[in-house]
Amino acid sequence: DQQVKQNSPSLSVQEGRISILNCDYTNSMFDYFLWYKKYPAEGPTFLISISSIKDKNEDGRFTVFLNKSAKHLSLHIVPSQPGDSAVYFCAASGAPNNNDMRFGAGTRLTVKP
Amino acid sequence: NAGVTQTPKFQVLKTGQSMTLQCAQDMNHEYMSWYRQDPGMGLRLIHYSVGAGITDQGEVPNGYNVSRSTTEDFPLRLLSAAPSQTSVYFCASSFGGGELFFGEGSRLTVL
Repeated sequence: DQQVKQNSPSLSVQEGRISILNCDYTNSMFDYFLWYKKYPAEGPTFLISISSIKDKNEDGRFTVFLNKSAKHLSLHIVPSQPGDSAVYFCAASGAPNNNDMRFGAGTRLTVKP
Repeated sequence: NAGVTQTPKFQVLKTGQSMTLQCAQDMNHEYMSWYRQDPGMGLRLIHYSVGAGITDQGEVPNGYNVSRSTTEDFPLRLLSAAPSQTSVYFCASSFGGGELFFGEGSRLTVL
């Protein structure tokens, strides 16, 4: 029972364009959402997070949007750069507890020069 | 500052063998955890610890044991390896909420 779903296994965009990665969740108790980025042969690294009291959080080129009524969040990368090519994992938990953090299956982003 | 260190990076086992994946962190984090990553499944929590002497089960704990004798170390033991345990294992730590800091992973193959 995957409580966090990333329905697009892969996404390809042109350098300079916007990348939009999507994530859906089923558990209404989730309160805290994170995005992690993973390069091959490395561990995931934290990218950006958002709590349920907000609907948007920005950090430089990265913006996360949360739509609680739709149980949907998205990560926008503008402008996309070749170095952004990686696997992106969406994660959710009942904040501030890490014990029930659930991850999506990941989306592989390829940014073409 | 090394962060989260996992050893070994690669391991091949035969069915029924035992082994321990080591994890150490130097950030004085109270929370540590083990995840496994399988194709199409994302990361799934195996066991976690909220401090020395305290451990608990995650989403997929069967076939694995853990202990936490110090704040720094959180080893994961496979007592009798099975092919279904072929996976990439990640150790992670945090201050107890929020972002996790991951190690580089340990790729395990059970024949």
